[in-house]
Amino acid sequence: SYVLTQPPSVSVAPGQTARITCGGNNIGSKSVHWYQQKPGQAPVLVVYDDSDRPSGIPERFSGSNSGNTATLTISRVEAGDEADYYCQVWDSSSDHYVFGTGTKVTVL
Amino acid sequence: QVQLVESGGGVVQPGGSLRLSCAASGFTFSSYGMHWVRQAPGKGLEWVAFIRYDGSNKYYADSVKGRFTISRDNSKNTLYLQMNSLRAEDTAVYYCAKDLTVTTSLGDAFDIWGQGTMVTVSS
Repeated sequence: SYVLTQPPSVSVAPGQTARITCGGNNIGSKSVHWYQQKPGQAPVLVVYDDSDRPSGIPERFSGSNSGNTATLTISRVEAGDEADYYCQVWDSSSDHYVFGTGTKVTVL
Repeated sequence: QVQLVESGGGVVQPGGSLRLSCAASGFTFSSYGMHWVRQAPGKGLEWVAFIRYDGSNKYYADSVKGRFTISRDNSKNTLYLQMNSLRAEDTAVYYCAKDLTVTTSLGDAFDIWGQGTMVTVSS
């Protein structure tokens, strides 16, 4: 089965840039989606199709995808960005949707 | 506004059954693929099942295949998850979520999520 690997945690100071990676075999050939989940809340879509943002999501959230790594970048990090972040793809070889292992972003 | 509301969660003994419901409003339910996603306590997200807009195709995670059944009633704007032969490892918050776009393709993002319903499998 297809595996998506994320770093367990990322720490960043306010105003700085956080980069969250999502590793998978030839993930660059797939469409990657990213979700933000705050404690006790449902996930929220923040980036879809590698780099598009849903309406209402700040431009500070951006994405890229190439080779074996997709990246979610949060610019000018704010305290309110502290959350768990998950990447997700569709694996056509297994007909399964797959989530990454998740990354906890801590704002120092 | 676009909304998904899950119900039907609770405590059930191992081997038991439960049916979850997800009531949709604020969008044309019959045009969108729908998903169930779960999250065990303190763990990450796990996709459970997907059903196409018209119910013509269904897909399941290996961990639930043969035990869970996803279905929908477009006349009632409601999504269901029938869970049989429940195990302790099925304990989780279960979310329903909708596809981002009206598409017949697989792999769309999940743009709207419900608040979740808790299922606890314990004796």
